[in-house]
Amino acid sequence: EADIYQTPRYLVIGTGKKITLECSQTMGHDKMYWYQQDPGMELHLIHYSYGVNSTEKGDLSSESTVSRIRTEHFPLTLESARPSHTSQYLCASSTSGGMGDTQYFGPGTRLTVL
Amino acid sequence: QKEVEQNSGPLSVPEGAIASLNCTYSDRGSQSFFWYRQYSGKSPELIMSIYSNGDKEDGRFTAQLNKASQYVSLLIRDSQPSDSATYLCAVHNQAGTALIFGKGTTLSVSS
Repeated sequence: EADIYQTPRYLVIGTGKKITLECSQTMGHDKMYWYQQDPGMELHLIHYSYGVNSTEKGDLSSESTVSRIRTEHFPLTLESARPSHTSQYLCASSTSGGMGDTQYFGPGTRLTVL
Repeated sequence: QKEVEQNSGPLSVPEGAIASLNCTYSDRGSQSFFWYRQYSGKSPELIMSIYSNGDKEDGRFTAQLNKASQYVSLLIRDSQPSDSATYLCAVHNQAGTALIFGKGTTLSVSS
């Protein structure tokens, strides 16, 4: 059972606001990920981290930024929210094992930018 | 661009039937394969992982892998209405650095 948490679960905010989406995991996983998913569409990787002070951009270009100062914490920040950022944001974590990582997902944050 | 292809469905089966979900992938070097279930508005939930050719069974679920054909499938026996969801196929790239998701197949089980 994965213990990975995201807050807030739902956020409605106006254009131009700065927002931070929180993600924490209590499993000691070294790898963490942020995905973006629009309704009925596939998951797109926007950021990932393989450990403290390590962050990389994913396949989908995103105006967001991330940080990894602590193993358990991987927040995502949007400096100036726009309606095009409206989406569901999913955080996941994994640890290397066997033939490949198994990723476990948090409950997600549904963001609406007006 | 490495791809994972799934039929988007919807796949409709009656309660108690076998549901068969299919997935093909393009990265011949992939070694790890996963099936996730995602209910509407929820996050993906891991159902099974498979790494070797052949079948892997877990309760009502069986994953099948054929690396030569670059094909992975998920069978759900005795389908229940609670199985109605979108099923995501995910494949690790050869380097194991990224998990590539398909668009998902929507399954509807009618009672």
